[in-house]
Amino acid sequence: QSVLTQPPSASGTPGQRVIISCSGSFSNIGSETVNWYQQLPGTAPRLLIYSNNQRPSGVPDRFSGSKSGTSASLAISGLQSEDEAAYYCASWDDSLIAVVFGGGTQLTVL
Amino acid sequence: EVQLVESGGGLVQPGGSLRLSCAASGFTFSDHYMDWVRQAPGKGLEWIGRSRNKANSYNTDYAASVKGRFIVSRDNSENSFYLQMNSLEAEDTAVYYCARSAHDSSYYYFMDVWGKGTTVTVSS
Repeated sequence: QSVLTQPPSASGTPGQRVIISCSGSFSNIGSETVNWYQQLPGTAPRLLIYSNNQRPSGVPDRFSGSKSGTSASLAISGLQSEDEAAYYCASWDDSLIAVVFGGGTQLTVL
Repeated sequence: EVQLVESGGGLVQPGGSLRLSCAASGFTFSDHYMDWVRQAPGKGLEWIGRSRNKANSYNTDYAASVKGRFIVSRDNSENSFYLQMNSLEAEDTAVYYCARSAHDSSYYYFMDVWGKGTTVTVSS
């Protein structure tokens, strides 16, 4: 049972837009920023979005993040086969004094 | 090139201890928070602990699930980060990742560089 709640799975066809949600509480998303990580099969996670909506260099602008209240979203537009991966949201929790992750969303490109 | 390389994983019996290492290169090590994150087989990511940077006195934080059993430490002269794991249980079986944390202009932190991980198996 993760502190942040994500749907376990999502899917879309090539070219589609997919949105992955991440729900938390005031002590984490509500008062801190949200980061998103992508984990391709058999590899280490990599930073995809930081500070709610910022993309590190090298991340395509097809990926975007947003936050509202105690929830955040990751949007992937122009879905491609190489986007098939697990996606995790994360935030700092002021009450737990810890980094908290969502359970992860496995994205399938049909 | 910024790089993190973990080592020290292996097979250990329940109740045993293991020390993981993370060798950092390509950046000013003492300026950065460093984190350990693990992933049990077929499961999601779990943050374990953190060593803050020089500006924050290298203070440490831990997940409740490992507090009292695991200890994070760093050797800034060697650009190395460590995870001492004691009283290991089968549930600690996982790939352990070392990650560097950076911050934005408001000092919100994010893990921007990850190692490839080292595997720990706790079994008799």
